[in-house]
Amino acid sequence: DAGITQSPRHKVTETGTPVTLRCHQTENHRYMYWYRQDPGHGLRLIHYSYGVKDTDKGEVSDGYSVSRSKTEDFLLTLESATSSQTSVYFCAISDPGPYNEQFFGPGTRLTVL
Amino acid sequence: KNQVEQSPQSLIILEGKNCTLQCNYTVSPFSNLRWYKQDTGRGPVSLTIMTFSENTKSNGRYTATLDADTKQSSLHITASQLSDSASYICVVSEGSTGRRALTFGSGTRLQVQP
Repeated sequence: DAGITQSPRHKVTETGTPVTLRCHQTENHRYMYWYRQDPGHGLRLIHYSYGVKDTDKGEVSDGYSVSRSKTEDFLLTLESATSSQTSVYFCAISDPGPYNEQFFGPGTRLTVL
Repeated sequence: KNQVEQSPQSLIILEGKNCTLQCNYTVSPFSNLRWYKQDTGRGPVSLTIMTFSENTKSNGRYTATLDADTKQSSLHITASQLSDSASYICVVSEGSTGRRALTFGSGTRLQVQP
């Protein structure tokens, strides 16, 4: 998984609680991404970062926030989890280049009851 | 709206047989197309990346083709193995935005049976 770890790998939480997912990379890549993957849908971009403290929204950013205080860490926070946020979350990294090739982490399965 | 459609949604084949997965896209402007393999419980792993000028690219028993005129791609798997059981995702990169947004298909789930 290209030097990318995600924690936790599995989490069950209740509606209304805050949740933070962590992505850690050892590749020193500039770009980091958070996606969610749901049955019947392709991976959808939540937020991405193009450098320390530089982040931007993706197509499904409502209800999520992110932070990146160090090159190697990218945090995804659900301020108040809802059942619609039950999903598998993937972190990805890439460096500037002609292909924008992204390397994915192992994923975090989040269940919101 | 940019879209990537894959077919079939799922496929079952016997070990040793060949198969072809299809991808149609409407992403514009086009930058590149890649195929990912995703094993159950794992993140996607890149198999091939093709630009506008490339028609065919191989990676072992995997061969991807691209027809940029008809906006179609296929992934051909030769002499399938049990380890090929996975989801195969077609992803198209848009050429205009600074971050080169990716549009993902929903995948084809392949099951190879002994």
